Amino acid sequence: ETGVTQTPRHLVMGMTNKKSLKCEQHLGHNAMYWYKQSAKKPLELMFVYSLEERVENNSVPSRFSPECPNSSHLFLHLHTLQPEDSALYLCASSPRLVTYEQYFGPGTRLTVT
Amino acid sequence: SQELEQSPQSLIVQEGKNLTINCTSSKTLYGLYWYKQKYGEGLIFLMMLQKGGEEKSHEKITAKLDEKKQQSSLHITASQPSHAGIYLCGADDPSNTGKLIFGQGTTLQVKP
Repeated sequence: ETGVTQTPRHLVMGMTNKKSLKCEQHLGHNAMYWYKQSAKKPLELMFVYSLEERVENNSVPSRFSPECPNSSHLFLHLHTLQPEDSALYLCASSPRLVTYEQYFGPGTRLTVT
Repeated sequence: SQELEQSPQSLIVQEGKNLTINCTSSKTLYGLYWYKQKYGEGLIFLMMLQKGGEEKSHEKITAKLDEKKQQSSLHITASQPSHAGIYLCGADDPSNTGKLIFGQGTTLQVKP
């Protein structure tokens, strides 16, 4: 596969569940990102990783926990979410943490019931 | 903090018509990106502009960054149904390396 892939594409979970979102990039990039896209709101940056180290945590609630085991993989662990966390979660990568275009995955549509 | 405002928020055009989407920044733009998103899917990178007055084209889509580097426009010539989607502008946050901020998006529908 090429580009940025995300799994699952759709996820429905209850507020007491624990689940994880996975992102994998096949571009040899060193920076990876998690974004949240809610209806009628601009894309919100959640987390930034550069060379597997977290460099940005944009005041995200602790019920979202990122993990970057290597430069190709990024996870977003979810637990005790709220209905307002329902959104499209997008993963992106870029060659480095500077001014480069970011390449996005297809997203995971999350619904919290 | 820097904010991006896009106009219009939504647009419906007849196939074959030209259209323009604008992106205005509250501060100087140091890197401006245009993306296209199909509903519920990821963003597809279209173009990147960095220099004042810069203009880039890809197929029937042209993007410009004004001389003052505070506004960008995306122009589509002879629109087609395949152009339908959400267009987002994004910009480098100069105070935060690696961080992109985005406009709220412009939804384009092209009627056959």
